[in-house]
Amino acid sequence: AQSVAQPEDQVNVAEGNPLTVKCTYSVSGNPYLFWYVQYPNRGLQFLLKYITGDNLVKGSYGFEAEFNKSQTSFHLKKPSALVSDSALYFCAVRDIGDFNKFYFGSGTKLNVKP
Amino acid sequence: DAGVIQSPRHEVTEMGQEVTLRCKPISGHNSLFWYRQTMMRGLELLIYFNNNVPIDDSGMPEDRFSAKMPNASFSTLKIQPSEPRDSAVYFCASGGDYSNSGNTIYFGEGSWLTVV
Repeated sequence: AQSVAQPEDQVNVAEGNPLTVKCTYSVSGNPYLFWYVQYPNRGLQFLLKYITGDNLVKGSYGFEAEFNKSQTSFHLKKPSALVSDSALYFCAVRDIGDFNKFYFGSGTKLNVKP
Repeated sequence: DAGVIQSPRHEVTEMGQEVTLRCKPISGHNSLFWYRQTMMRGLELLIYFNNNVPIDDSGMPEDRFSAKMPNASFSTLKIQPSEPRDSAVYFCASGGDYSNSGNTIYFGEGSWLTVV
């Protein structure tokens, strides 16, 4: 079955420290992986995606994500967190083996404390 | 680019009333998606279109929900009659042709629906 798992409902990190938001996936074909961010009372905003090529993908606002095929993971990272990064983060996978359907994770709330 | 435009942004209606949510996708995009977000269920895909044709509506909760895309620049999601359990944020998203797996989808700001 196709799925995306975000094992942590919430991640707390101090400003200036590195952050990681975890995502694992399960698809029948090659994965196309995405990260989105949602600020309060706003829509989801695209951050970055992995299609093919380099396993380390760089995106908006200093975020990056590392694709690991053997661990079926696509963790979101940032070297130095900002208070303004506090938001809800969604991982998504598009499964070409399932009619290109998008599957979204349940979301991880990131809290960055000053 | 104006992005995906949704209206109304907020709506409060009484149970039993008809609700129509509207979406204007990004110009040039071929695919359009309707999602519903609630605390309990998270983000649910309701229906999606490619080139104005509905591809999969298996996520539509029941017959009270219907969606149309009469042309490339407009889509509606209708709930008739509405019930309190329909209270949620409804998002529209659009992207390039659905057959291209690498295409990103872009979300609107959402329509916040409260049914009392």
